[in-house]
Amino acid sequence: DQQVKQNSPSLSVQEGRISILNCDYTNSMFDYFLWYKKYPAEGPTFLISISSIKDKNEDGRFTVFLNKSAKHLSLHIVPSQPGDSAVYFCAASGLSGGSYIPTFGRGTSLIVHP
Amino acid sequence: DAGITQSPRHKVTETGTPVTLRCHQTENHRYMYWYRQDPGHGLRLIHYSYGVKDTDKGEVSDGYSVSRSKTEDFLLTLESATSSQTSVYFCAISQNPGQNSPLHFGNGTRLTVT
Repeated sequence: DQQVKQNSPSLSVQEGRISILNCDYTNSMFDYFLWYKKYPAEGPTFLISISSIKDKNEDGRFTVFLNKSAKHLSLHIVPSQPGDSAVYFCAASGLSGGSYIPTFGRGTSLIVHP
Repeated sequence: DAGITQSPRHKVTETGTPVTLRCHQTENHRYMYWYRQDPGHGLRLIHYSYGVKDTDKGEVSDGYSVSRSKTEDFLLTLESATSSQTSVYFCAISQNPGQNSPLHFGNGTRLTVT
């Protein structure tokens, strides 16, 4: 049973436009959410995070929005650039056994066309 | 980039043979993790370690064992490899188990079991 769902396997966007990647979760104990970016033949790298006490976190071109009542978060990339083409993983964590170990979604492959 | 080295980077082995993957870190981080990435499944946690000789199971631990005899090394062993264990394996580290400590990943080991 997937606790973190990324229902869009892929997304195609034109350079300069906004990219919106979506993520849903089912476990109400999750209180910290992260996005990772992965290029081919490399490991995932941390991009941005948000705590459940906030509804928005911004870092340059990247903004993450959290809607706790809907158990939904989204990553906005504005403006999108060809170098943003990668697989994006949503992850969620909650305190379990004294640790925050993230559960990952299946990923969304973003292609930004020049 | 966090100092994480995975070895080997690629391996082909036959069904039924034992395989050991190595993760080495130079960051002196306490927490280390093994994930596998498969198409349609995203990243799934196999095992993790919260200190020397302290390990615990993740969601897909069957068929895998781990050992951590030194802070810097975390070994993943497939006692008798099966074709279902063909995957890309990622090691990750984190400084502490808190919310503000994202995982840093290695570049992965691609394992093929024939």
